[in-house]
Amino acid sequence: QKEVEQDPGPLSVPEGAIVSLNCTYSNSAFQYFMWYRQYSRKGPELLMYTYSSGNKEDGRFTAQVDKSSKYISLFIRDSQPSDSATYLCALFMNRDDKIIFGKGTRLHILP
Amino acid sequence: EADIYQTPRYLVIGTGKKITLECSQTMGHDKMYWYQQDPGMELHLIHYSYGVNSTEKGDLSSESTVSRIRTEHFPLTLESARPSHTSQYLCASSEQVYGGYTFGSGTRLTVV
Repeated sequence: QKEVEQDPGPLSVPEGAIVSLNCTYSNSAFQYFMWYRQYSRKGPELLMYTYSSGNKEDGRFTAQVDKSSKYISLFIRDSQPSDSATYLCALFMNRDDKIIFGKGTRLHILP
Repeated sequence: EADIYQTPRYLVIGTGKKITLECSQTMGHDKMYWYQQDPGMELHLIHYSYGVNSTEKGDLSSESTVSRIRTEHFPLTLESARPSHTSQYLCASSEQVYGGYTFGSGTRLTVV
C-alpha cells in the first residue's frame, strides 16, 4: 500500500466553482500536512501546511485534515483560471525527517 | 531576494556526456534536496544534504552524484548520461522540514 494516494485527475471545473482536492494516507504517524501548487514547467510552491486535525484558511484556500480517517483536503473557493495547475499533497513525520509527496492532481479551471 | 536557482532550465545532451546540474540558494538553509519528477508520477528523492560535507542517497536509486562544499551550492553530476536519465530534476531547500521545502524551477533534461 502506498503511503499517500492522490487521484491524478485531470479535474475540470467551471470558473467560480468550489474545488475539492483530496489525499488519503496510510501511516498515522504523519504529523504535518502540506499542499503544494505546481504550474507547468515550474517547481512546486508551498500553499499551506497544517499540524493538527481541523481546518486552516488562507484567502480562497482552506486545508482540512481528518487524522482519524487519514484524509486531507484542499478547498478552493471562487476558482479562477489562474488556479489551473497541479496540486500535490505532502506529508511529514519527525521520525523520518523527509516529506512524502502525492502524485498530484491536475486541475483545469474553465473560463 | 531569498530564492533557489537552478541552471540550466533545459538541457538536451548526447548519450555518454558528463553533465552537472547547478543549484544555489540564498536563504542560508542547511538542508537541500534533489528530486526527480516524471509526468504523472510522484516526486522521487534521489539525494539530500543536511549541511556542508554531508550527502546522502535518497529513496530512488540514481547513478548521479552530489557534493556540498558550500552551504548555498548543491550541484548534481551525471558522469555518463543515458536516455533513461531523461526527466525533470528539482532542487529544494528547507530550514525546518515540517515547514515545507522551497523548490527551484527545475532542469528539464533530455538525453538523446
